[in-house]
Amino acid sequence: AQKVTQAQTEISVVEKEDVTLDCVYETRDTTYYLFWYKQPPSGELVFLIRRNSFDEQNEISGRYSWNFQKSTSSFNFTITASQVVDSAVYFCALSEARGGANSKLTFGKGITLSVRP
Amino acid sequence: KAGVTQTPRYLIKTRGQQVTLSCSPISGHRSVSWYQQTPGQGLQFLFEYFSETQRNKGNFPGRFSGRQFSNSRSEMNVSTLELGDSALYLCASSLVASGREFFGPGTRLTVL
Repeated sequence: AQKVTQAQTEISVVEKEDVTLDCVYETRDTTYYLFWYKQPPSGELVFLIRRNSFDEQNEISGRYSWNFQKSTSSFNFTITASQVVDSAVYFCALSEARGGANSKLTFGKGITLSVRP
Repeated sequence: KAGVTQTPRYLIKTRGQQVTLSCSPISGHRSVSWYQQTPGQGLQFLFEYFSETQRNKGNFPGRFSGRQFSNSRSEMNVSTLELGDSALYLCASSLVASGREFFGPGTRLTVL
């Protein structure tokens, strides 16, 4: 069975601080996808990144960066120079990769990030 | 392109009633998935439809059902509502094999 653990439940930082959100996953599949989603107070889940299990390269997108390490089954997310607009709930998710078909997402419990001015 | 739309956005029902929620996917997307979000259980997968066929189902009782129409629009139905069904129900659409799901704003269901 697949499982995603986000051990941190709430994080509070002051604006401009860097913050890392941890994600640890479990799966017996050799091929899978990892995701991060952001959920602002409006409720809609906003896609941030997808990474497949064969691509362990770290990725940077503006102030966001992701560190994928298969050896530790982790897919951590760092926000550099956080801003108040980053305040939201962040979810890490995992799906198996079935050729030609989509598969369900297994979500972690989410991390509530509060960025104070 | 318009995003995923869900109607209604808010709904209040009483125990024992049934409810139908609607989801219109992004134009061209043929896969629609439904998720339930509650404070206690978090985000849980309900089911996925593709070309009017249910391809994947989560661990929910038979009171939860869904369907997809030929235009890819999807509905989910919950019969004999219980207090614990109060949740945000999220719909997501995607292209086949893209692995990326686009989520709608959700329908917040309150069962009294």
